[in-house]
Amino acid sequence: GAVVSQHPSWVICKSGTSVKIECRSLDFQATTMFWYRQFPKQSLMLMATSNEGSKATYEQGVEKDKFLINHASLTLSTLTVTSAHPEDSSFYICSAFSRDRGNIQYFGAGTRLSVL
Amino acid sequence: SQKIEQNSEALNIQEGKTATLTCNYTNYSPAYLQWYRQDPGRGPVFLLLIRENEKEKRKERLKVTFDTTLKQSLFHITASQPADSATYLCALDPGGFKTIFGAGTRLFVKA
Repeated sequence: GAVVSQHPSWVICKSGTSVKIECRSLDFQATTMFWYRQFPKQSLMLMATSNEGSKATYEQGVEKDKFLINHASLTLSTLTVTSAHPEDSSFYICSAFSRDRGNIQYFGAGTRLSVL
Repeated sequence: SQKIEQNSEALNIQEGKTATLTCNYTNYSPAYLQWYRQDPGRGPVFLLLIRENEKEKRKERLKVTFDTTLKQSLFHITASQPADSATYLCALDPGGFKTIFGAGTRLFVKA
């Protein structure tokens, strides 16, 4: 399967700071990347869909100014959690998708964010 | 409303037995359905995709069925091993590029 690298895997930050999470598809060009949030024992909740070279499409209830997504190339998308607060603490997961690879999402390993 | 339901209770089985996990959905007409495996603290890993015109799909010890009339998919692991212990997620496409995931079922295989 395809390889998607997500970095960092774990981050602890102070309340009010911003945190950037990177998602890279290492062996294919991802026309679309997705960002999810997952709480313990719960399903993956889609936050936004990111297409290369265009603005991300956010799901209802997700603050665009809070969760900044950039998809500058076919292999890199970033999620920046701005002015993080303890309630933003969660497990964030990205996935990369390309029609050329079938209708399959290839996931990163996830980032555990803890805001103190 | 649209829902994907997986058994929220953990499934405990003995090594060597067949594990069967259920995924039911309502108010969707997906063109395909997928199963993923997720280990604690990790991202999901794709296992199998089955299309609406396929009744069954196999991959090694895995078998998936898809009944569009019952709106149900069954996921089987034969000759289960402790290494199969994980959470298994059902996912379907509501149209477009999105994928909607179930909450998953935790499987424990005891040696």
